[in-house]
Amino acid sequence: AQKVTQAQTEISVVEKEDVTLDCVYETRDTTYYLFWYKQPPSGELVFLIRRNSFDEQNEISGRYSWNFQKSTSSFNFTITASQVVDSAVYFCALSEAGTDKLIFGTGTRLQVFP
Amino acid sequence: GAVVSQHPSWVICKSGTSVKIECRSLDFQATTMFWYRQFPKQSLMLMATSNEGSKATYEQGVEKDKFLINHASLTLSTLTVTSAHPEDSSFYICSARDGDKGYNEQFFGPGTRLTVL
Repeated sequence: AQKVTQAQTEISVVEKEDVTLDCVYETRDTTYYLFWYKQPPSGELVFLIRRNSFDEQNEISGRYSWNFQKSTSSFNFTITASQVVDSAVYFCALSEAGTDKLIFGTGTRLQVFP
Repeated sequence: GAVVSQHPSWVICKSGTSVKIECRSLDFQATTMFWYRQFPKQSLMLMATSNEGSKATYEQGVEKDKFLINHASLTLSTLTVTSAHPEDSSFYICSARDGDKGYNEQFFGPGTRLTVL
């Protein structure tokens, strides 16, 4: 069965701190996709990244970076030099090949204080 | 590109009434649309998957007679909450898959907040 675990319910940091959001997933498939979404207070989901199971290269996009480790079934997300605008709920999600269904983790609420 | 809209953005209704929520893909054809439900401070839970021109597939535990889904065209899906009750109050989010792109490429609408009094 598929499952996504985001153990951190809430994280608070001060601006300019680096912060890492953890995501651990479970799947029996060898082909799958992992996602991160941001949900600001407005509620609209913002797509951040998609990674397929065959691509373990880490990715960096500006202040965001992702660390995909198949050996530990983790897909962690790091924000460098956090800003107040980064305050939101962040969801990690999993989708197995052959299905469009997204299984979301419970989310991590990030608060960045000035 | 790849914009999904929802209407209304919020709605308040009396218990026992029905509410219709629209989900539209504005600049692409959505062969598949998804409806999610999110309670306060909780995750998104998939309610159903709808393919254009066919019946929706509901997730376990979701009452199909209560949450009517229609996907009559490649750009529009509707979710009707029938005989709404306070426990149906939630944030409803739709997403759409672009039929011209590979699967797993879902685009989310801004959500509809339903409050049932």
